[in-house]
Amino acid sequence: GNSVTQMEGPVTLSEEAFLTINCTYTATGYPSLFWYVQYPGEGLQLLLKATKADDKGSNKGFEATYRKETTSFHLEKGSVQVSDSAVYFCALSDKQGNKLVFGAGTILRVKS
Amino acid sequence: KAGVTQTPRYLIKTRGQQVTLSCSPISGHRSVSWYQQTPGQGLQFLFEYFSETQRNKGNFPGRFSGRQFSNSRSEMNVSTLELGDSALYLCASSLGARHSYEQYFGPGTRLTVT
Repeated sequence: GNSVTQMEGPVTLSEEAFLTINCTYTATGYPSLFWYVQYPGEGLQLLLKATKADDKGSNKGFEATYRKETTSFHLEKGSVQVSDSAVYFCALSDKQGNKLVFGAGTILRVKS
Repeated sequence: KAGVTQTPRYLIKTRGQQVTLSCSPISGHRSVSWYQQTPGQGLQFLFEYFSETQRNKGNFPGRFSGRQFSNSRSEMNVSTLELGDSALYLCASSLGARHSYEQYFGPGTRLTVT
């Protein structure tokens, strides 16, 4: 079955540091890939998405590129802020509909 | 445009009781999906409804059920509650059936079973 693997956290960075959160997936066919973010006490917010190989999703300084050859969708940001502290989830959706399969989530802590 | 709303936000129930959670999708969205979030199991898909029909179902026991109304609002029901049902239940809506459509999540209903 489909699955998503994320790097374990927590990831602790200083403000303005470079962020990478690794995400790899296993799926048949060509899934759509997503990054969601969850702030404490809230639901999930869509951060970015990519629907085909080599697509780059970007939003609020975050970006991720759909790499079919390595089945990866790593999240990056050039300079993190304290306000980026949250839990980040990588997810995929296959052609069978709107069922999202999530990774375990990665806690990001940014200190000033 | 208003986002996805879920009611109630918090709920405390006793083992053996049943509970109904409600979700109102974004206006114009026809697909509603439900997810369970727990510290141990993470985010797990429960089921998805599109145009009042269940299109997809996750691996949950029959105690978990749902439905969708003609206005796309959805409810999920859990009968004979168990302690392990304590979780954050998230609802998500999207435009329709294509897997590339973004899903937008509500704030969730925090269910505590005692």
